Amino acid sequence: GQSLEQPSEVTAVEGAIVQINCTYQTSGFYGLSWYQQHDGGAPTFLSYNGLDGLEETGRFSSFLSRSDSYGYLLLQELQMKDSASYFCGSDKLIFGTGTRLQVFP
Amino acid sequence: ETGVTQTPRHLVMGMTNKKSLKCEQHLGHNAMYWYKQSAKKPLELMFVYSLEERVENNSVPSRFSPECPNSSHLFLHLHTLQPEDSALYLCASSQDRTGFANEQFFGPGTRLTVL
Repeated sequence: GQSLEQPSEVTAVEGAIVQINCTYQTSGFYGLSWYQQHDGGAPTFLSYNGLDGLEETGRFSSFLSRSDSYGYLLLQELQMKDSASYFCGSDKLIFGTGTRLQVFP
Repeated sequence: ETGVTQTPRHLVMGMTNKKSLKCEQHLGHNAMYWYKQSAKKPLELMFVYSLEERVENNSVPSRFSPECPNSSHLFLHLHTLQPEDSALYLCASSQDRTGFANEQFFGPGTRLTVL
């Protein structure tokens, strides 16, 4: 089976950088995706890492190390609108419990 | 808007009721999914349909019955639910089901409350 673990909550201030970690216990793992979900909203796709290393998309980057069973989402130049829940998921469609990010002025 | 719509957005039902959730995608995708999202728990995959054929059923109780009449529509029929079934039910679609590399587009969900 698979399980993915994330911190439950992270706080930061506007303009800062924050890293949300995702560690996993799994077999047959190929890649890691990240989704953002605002309160009352639908999850929206952010990124997918099918290979080890860093993927950059604007202010957001995602990293995967399959040898360490670990990945993270890096958010730079934080804005108030980044306050949301972020969750990682495997390509077996198993998800982490989500990390609630609160950005303060 | 993600191109995936769900109705109703909110539903309150008794344990003896029968109701249905509807999902429609306007993206021309071939795969559709039902998820359950409960507070403090990971998003749980319930069913996967690919080209209108059910390809995955994650040990979901039989009181949940999916239906996919065509590649654009997905239903979740509910009957004799339990209070612990109260949750946000999310529908999603993707181009195909060859793994997570295919970005999933989620609908806004149906907030279900079972009394």
